Amino acid sequence: DQQVKQNSPSLSVQEGRISILNCDYTNSMFDYFLWYKKYPAEGPTFLISISSIKDKNEDGRFTVFLNKSAKHLSLHIVPSQPGDSAVYFCAASGGRAGGSQGNLIFGKGTKLSVKP
Amino acid sequence: DGGITQSPKYLFRKEGQNVTLSCEQNLNHDAMYWYRQDPGQGLRLIYYSQIVNDFQKGDIAEGYSVSREKKESFPLTVTSAQKNPTAFYLCASSRQGGITGELFFGEGSRLTVL
Repeated sequence: DQQVKQNSPSLSVQEGRISILNCDYTNSMFDYFLWYKKYPAEGPTFLISISSIKDKNEDGRFTVFLNKSAKHLSLHIVPSQPGDSAVYFCAASGGRAGGSQGNLIFGKGTKLSVKP
Repeated sequence: DGGITQSPKYLFRKEGQNVTLSCEQNLNHDAMYWYRQDPGQGLRLIYYSQIVNDFQKGDIAEGYSVSREKKESFPLTVTSAQKNPTAFYLCASSRQGGITGELFFGEGSRLTVL
């Protein structure tokens, strides 16, 4: 049973517009959420994260929103750029203090295409 | 530059052969991980190690083995017991006490079984 779900396998947006990538989770014990970006044949790179005690975290063009009651988070990219075209993975952690315990759970990813 | 180096980038194997994928990091991270990615799938955890000489099975450890003799190195052996080994393998590391769950990934190794 998937604990982290990204229900949209792909998303296409026009350059300059907003991209919204969604993620749902089922385990209420998750207390840290991360987004990774991945280009083909490369390893994922960390993009942005949010602790469960917050509902929003912003870093430049990237904002992550967390709705704990709905067990839903979203990544907003504004404005979208062609270089943002990649696969975006949502991940969740049980988040024990002292670092990852190997319990980072990934969604299946959403492929974002930003068209010029 | 600090980072994670995986080798080889591409590897072909005949059925019945064991192969070992290398992962080296110079980030001074304590924890290291191996993930597997299949098309249309998320990353699934194979093994992880919190400290030298200790490692734990992840969700899909069957058919794989690891060792952690040095802090910098965490090689993964794909054995002949792994029924479907063709995949993209990713090694990652994290520092203890760092941002919870933040992993730093290598560039991956693509294994193809002929």
